[in-house]
Amino acid sequence: SQQGEEDPQALSIQEGENATMNCSYKTSINNLQWYRQNSGRGLVHLILIRSNEREKHSGRLRVTLDTSKKSSSLLITASRAADTASYFCAAGTGANNLFFGTGTRLTVIP
Amino acid sequence: GAVVSQHPSWVICKSGTSVKIECRSLDFQATTMFWYRQFPKQSLMLMATSNEGSKATYEQGVEKDKFLINHASLTLSTLTVTSAHPEDSSFYICSARGSGTGSGNQPQHFGDGTRLSIL
Repeated sequence: SQQGEEDPQALSIQEGENATMNCSYKTSINNLQWYRQNSGRGLVHLILIRSNEREKHSGRLRVTLDTSKKSSSLLITASRAADTASYFCAAGTGANNLFFGTGTRLTVIP
Repeated sequence: GAVVSQHPSWVICKSGTSVKIECRSLDFQATTMFWYRQFPKQSLMLMATSNEGSKATYEQGVEKDKFLINHASLTLSTLTVTSAHPEDSSFYICSARGSGTGSGNQPQHFGDGTRLSIL
């Protein structure tokens, strides 16, 4: 069953702007992961933040985690048209399972 | 980076046939593989967790006799949709994760998915 929800469901921005997506989850986690999915394709792992971390950077990506609020955010800076995709957060709750959020469909307009 | 190959990418078949989908980890050993189902514009729903050499663990509501999973080696898991019907039409995605200490804090590596259409 899904354990997360993402906000907004859809986001449309101009190229060069920043995009922020939020994720809330329901259970205790070991980590929180963000994935990207292009239409009709599999998921690509973007970044993993552990439960004892508060912020993590990778290139143009910045992820924050607030375990007290059970929430995370993904910021994509200086967006590009190629960033157009669906973005999912996934709560890592133990040795095995990942529970995916509902996803945010990001459209970056050239 | 880690590569997972999923085959076939697209299947169209008649109602009542069985369809096998393969998921291979190409450059790492995957003790655990996962099978997901995704409906259009929706999130991924975990169907089952497949562990090499043992029976798969199915999520609630997933029929194990309908969706047969075999994980015979550290690099291959298969999902067979038996006696498929139009309601089984969906996008099926596998993922794999490496083994060892701390594997719970490792990302999953996904195949490109299989679009299954049952006529």
